[in-house]
Amino acid sequence: GAGVSQSPSNKVTEKGKDVELRCDPISGHTALYWYRQSLGQGLEFLIYFQGNSAPDKSGLPSDRFSAERTGGSVSTLTIQRTQQEDSAVYLCASSRTSGNYNEQFFGPGTRLTVL
Amino acid sequence: AQSVTQLDSQVPVFEEAPVELRCNYSSSVSVYLFWYVQYPNQGLQLLLKYLSGSTLVKGINGFEAEFNKSQTSFHLRKPSVHISDTAEYFCAVGNTGNQFCFGTGTSLTVIP
Repeated sequence: GAGVSQSPSNKVTEKGKDVELRCDPISGHTALYWYRQSLGQGLEFLIYFQGNSAPDKSGLPSDRFSAERTGGSVSTLTIQRTQQEDSAVYLCASSRTSGNYNEQFFGPGTRLTVL
Repeated sequence: AQSVTQLDSQVPVFEEAPVELRCNYSSSVSVYLFWYVQYPNQGLQLLLKYLSGSTLVKGINGFEAEFNKSQTSFHLRKPSVHISDTAEYFCAVGNTGNQFCFGTGTSLTVIP
């Protein structure tokens, strides 16, 4: 079946603009995760959803970052007033449930470049 | 709180030689341990995982890892690497408290 998809695959924006990144999880997966992958810094956890609620927002780096999930499916990550340090690859993953024994299936990522 | 340490950021190895990628973790509760691989220009995919039971876990592509509770380690090994194993490898730990984190990754380069 279809895997996790993300759009756009690449996004170039100017400093100060807002961006929206989209994630379509695998159908039926109730848990959804957002990570940020910066060069040499591995994967940084941002936020996870169980259904439409986000019990853990601890990883969001600032109040310029927000995320929502509707209908227990698609999620959008919004970055307001982008800064150059926001440049990174943003990865989305989904799993059957939120239990950490479950494998997370990753999308291909969105490469964000802030000029 | 928990954390994952991958001490080796880059590991070059000749084709058909054995390799070990090191991973150490810290956690105050029981853990689940994972290794993910990211091939060039691709997303992450699961190599193997330890949930419970046998401490030696076998994964895809001939990789295996051993959970060592006393040393809080989960090192990844392969007895003979191929060119196609060149990739970024990430160790990850989750726990019953729904915390989940990844290490900074180890870049494995297989030299012909």
